Amino acid sequence: DVKVTQSSRYLVKRTGEKVFLECVQDMDHENMFWYRQDPGLGLRLIYFSYDVKMKEKGDIPEGYSVSREKKERFSLILESASTNQTSMYLCASTLEWLPDTQYFGPGTRLTVL
Amino acid sequence: RKEVEQDPGPFNVPEGATVAFNCTYSNSASQSFFWYRQDCRKEPKLLMSVYSSGNEDGRFTAQLNRASQYISLLIRDSKLSDSATYLCVVRSGSARQLTFGSGTQLTVLP
Repeated sequence: DVKVTQSSRYLVKRTGEKVFLECVQDMDHENMFWYRQDPGLGLRLIYFSYDVKMKEKGDIPEGYSVSREKKERFSLILESASTNQTSMYLCASTLEWLPDTQYFGPGTRLTVL
Repeated sequence: RKEVEQDPGPFNVPEGATVAFNCTYSNSASQSFFWYRQDCRKEPKLLMSVYSSGNEDGRFTAQLNRASQYISLLIRDSKLSDSATYLCVVRSGSARQLTFGSGTQLTVLP
């Protein structure tokens, strides 16, 4: 069974703090993704990565950066958290040759005060 | 205009009812189509792919109309356990990423 884990289920941070969200998958998947999910807006892609040290911007990359130093780990960084980044953050991964089935982590509910 | 549009609902139906969800997509280059299911406070999971000829998986039937850029999901004989949000998803060409609709919420009532 594919397992995607995220470092925290709930996180509360203050405006201006640097925030790290970690995602780890155990199935040797090449592709990893970070989304945020907000009511009425659905899942929106922030960044994705198709290989170690490779990254591509998604639809809403502003205010975020990512890091992929190892194949199994994909980190999302909020350099200076703002209240409009309060959201549910979901990580996902897929095999390169089977991109249609995304396996999601349980999500991190981030609140920025 | 959103790339993938769905009626957000909510749809409240009695057990045993048949319910249909619709979805439209704007990118004519979209190649692959799916329905994902997301239970309350859980992560999305793939429910089924949608093929041009239409496909069925038990009580679930998915249809694709490329000319109208329209996808549908039909659930027959609804069960309480079908209560969830159903996400319409498309992938364009050789893109690695998926584009998700905002979801349709279904509640099946006893």
